[in-house]
Amino acid sequence: ETGVTQSPTHLIKTRGQQVTLRCSSQSGHNTVSWYQQALGQGPQFIFQYYREEENGRGNFPPRFSGLQFPNYSSELNVNALELDDTALYLCARSVQGLYNEQFFGPGTRLTVL
Amino acid sequence: ELKVEQNPLFLSMQEGKNYTIYCNYSTTSDRLYWYRQDPGKSLESLFVLLSNGAVKQEGRLMASLDTKARLSTLHITAAVHDLSATYFCAGRSDNFNKFYFGSGTKLNVKP
Repeated sequence: ETGVTQSPTHLIKTRGQQVTLRCSSQSGHNTVSWYQQALGQGPQFIFQYYREEENGRGNFPPRFSGLQFPNYSSELNVNALELDDTALYLCARSVQGLYNEQFFGPGTRLTVL
Repeated sequence: ELKVEQNPLFLSMQEGKNYTIYCNYSTTSDRLYWYRQDPGKSLESLFVLLSNGAVKQEGRLMASLDTKARLSTLHITAAVHDLSATYFCAGRSDNFNKFYFGSGTKLNVKP
């Protein structure tokens, strides 16, 4: 049990729609990262938020955006959904420090039709 | 951009046997992570390796890091069926704010 929760667990959308995924955790995790994991592949880093600001981004277009709130919760927003956005979206919480170990939530499985 | 390559991608082995999963990375990474993922589940953190020569062990799994060779290994000793899962390694970029995963090694331990 990592103490990281995500909602919803499953979601079906159609191409062109917008989606918001949510992540929350116990206090103390001041850093949140989001990943996209397509079927049979490794997670791809989307971005990271630290103290409510984006401080690292992978090779994802601007239609992928995020927020981190003072209560440590976070959102991932994806606009203009494409079929290739179908994937498991993982949120990972960590505390900046020596190990920077990441604790992953259970993920949200998004299907775009 | 940091590139992380794992091999093999698939590994089928008998219970009781030993084997090693290899993780090569292309540029400097100040940390190397190993994770386990069961089918349909999220990722479970196994090891974080910080420095050259670091070795960590948990049960039948042992991870090591050679920063000069840009190589980490995950060694499985006397495999049991419960170890069947996909194992990922990941590195962190120099600016500390980007993480890169390998494609994963799908391990199947046959009874």
